Amino acid sequence: DGGITQSPKYLFRKEGQNVTLSCEQNLNHDAMYWYRQDPGQGLRLIYYSQIVNDFQKGDIAEGYSVSREKKESFPLTVTSAQKNPTAFYLCASSMRGGGWPVQFFGPGTRLTVL
Amino acid sequence: AQTVTQSQPEMSVQEAETVTLSCTYDTSENNYYLFWYKQPPSRQMILVIRQEAYKQQNATENRFSVNFQKAAKSFSLKISDSQLGDTAMYFCAFMNAGGTSYGKLTFGQGTILTVHP
Repeated sequence: DGGITQSPKYLFRKEGQNVTLSCEQNLNHDAMYWYRQDPGQGLRLIYYSQIVNDFQKGDIAEGYSVSREKKESFPLTVTSAQKNPTAFYLCASSMRGGGWPVQFFGPGTRLTVL
Repeated sequence: AQTVTQSQPEMSVQEAETVTLSCTYDTSENNYYLFWYKQPPSRQMILVIRQEAYKQQNATENRFSVNFQKAAKSFSLKISDSQLGDTAMYFCAFMNAGGTSYGKLTFGQGTILTVHP
C-alpha cells in the first residue's frame, strides 16, 4: 500500500535532548513537508523540501533541523534550542509541478517534553 | 503573506441536517488553490475538497460542496446530510499557484464540528 509513515507515534524527551522524528513515503512524491500542530491552532510549516538534497525554512524553523538525502525520507530533528517542543508533528508529501499540488499527510507523532 | 481565518471555533449539527463552515482568506495573488481538510479524532488529516481560484464553478464531492466567492475572498464548506462520521476538526487552507511560495499551505485555526444523533 502506498502512503506516508511516521514513527514513533508517541515520543517523550527530556529537556536538553535532541530527538529525531521519522517520515517515510512510498508515493514517489518529490516534495515533503513538516508541520507542527498546537491545541486550538492550525498547522504551521516548519520545513519543506521540493527535491532531494534541498530544503527551505518554513514559518517556524527555529530550533528544528532537517535533511533530505533520499527521495523517500525527510527526518525532522527537534533540538534543545526549541523552547517549547511539546506538540503534534505532521509530515506531508506531494507531487511537484503540474497538476494538483495536493498534500497527503502521515498519521503524526506526538512529542512530549518531560 | 497570506492569512486564513476560520471564525467559528466550534459548530454542531444534527444528523442528516446541513451545516456550513466559514473561511475567509487574504491574498494579493490572483491564482491560487483552496482546500478543506478534515481531522477526525484519530488526528489523520484527510483532504475533503479542493478549488482552483481561476475556476468559477464551485467544487463538489458527494455530500461536500463549497461556495467560492473570489471577490469577497470567501471559501465556505457545506456538508449536506451530516453523518456521525463527519465529526472532526475542519481546516481551510490556501496555497499560491506559483512563485517561491508554491507548495506551501497556510492553514486556518480550524473549526470543531460535532454531529449529534
